[in-house]
Amino acid sequence: SQELEQSPQSLIVQEGKNLTINCTSSKTLYGLYWYKQKYGEGLIFLMMLQKGGEEKSHEKITAKLDEKKQQSSLHITASQPSHAGIYLCGADMDSNYQLIWGAGTKLIIKP
Amino acid sequence: GAGVSQTPSNKVTEKGKYVELRCDPISGHTALYWYRQSLGQGPEFLIYFQGTGAADDSGLPNDRFFAVRPEGSVSTLKIQRTERGDSAVYLCASSPGLRWNEQFFGPGTRLTVL
Repeated sequence: SQELEQSPQSLIVQEGKNLTINCTSSKTLYGLYWYKQKYGEGLIFLMMLQKGGEEKSHEKITAKLDEKKQQSSLHITASQPSHAGIYLCGADMDSNYQLIWGAGTKLIIKP
Repeated sequence: GAGVSQTPSNKVTEKGKYVELRCDPISGHTALYWYRQSLGQGPEFLIYFQGTGAADDSGLPNDRFFAVRPEGSVSTLKIQRTERGDSAVYLCASSPGLRWNEQFFGPGTRLTVL
């Protein structure tokens, strides 16, 4: 959806390097969700952010929501092959409970 | 603890045929969502249920698409007179409530209309 832009579209990173994926909206977000998807599998929940300035971490993945609640970033530290996949951000924009999704960022980790 | 399951995992049908896609949510989850995902795209919202009722079906593309959840658990997405443009992965998700809850996704049903 053009309402939610993800960048980059794809990313190739050397194993061990850090990387950042961005998710940007033109509207204020009521909630922002990060999911990971592997080919042929369903989406795996990573993190949910609600408050402006909020930051959450799980293992080597950190997600932040900016103060204006219009942009989120997902940062992976010391990337590993297990991080490879498609990262999707989904947003609750209009408080009608629908999630609008970005097109995804395909992450490839080079050994 | 079983997750969300979807059957069949793959469905190949001919243009004009009728198909049913099934979703078994996590037990106790009141909210159930259907999405459609095309290659290289994020999921596209179709419909969600709160209990047995369709709380929002605004994402259904046209009247060939219909979904039910008669007992507030299993849901079936029904597509009549399938068209080649219906080919996609159909994802189902469930959650304990409508907002601020993680949505648990099934593996999807890959529908191919020839």
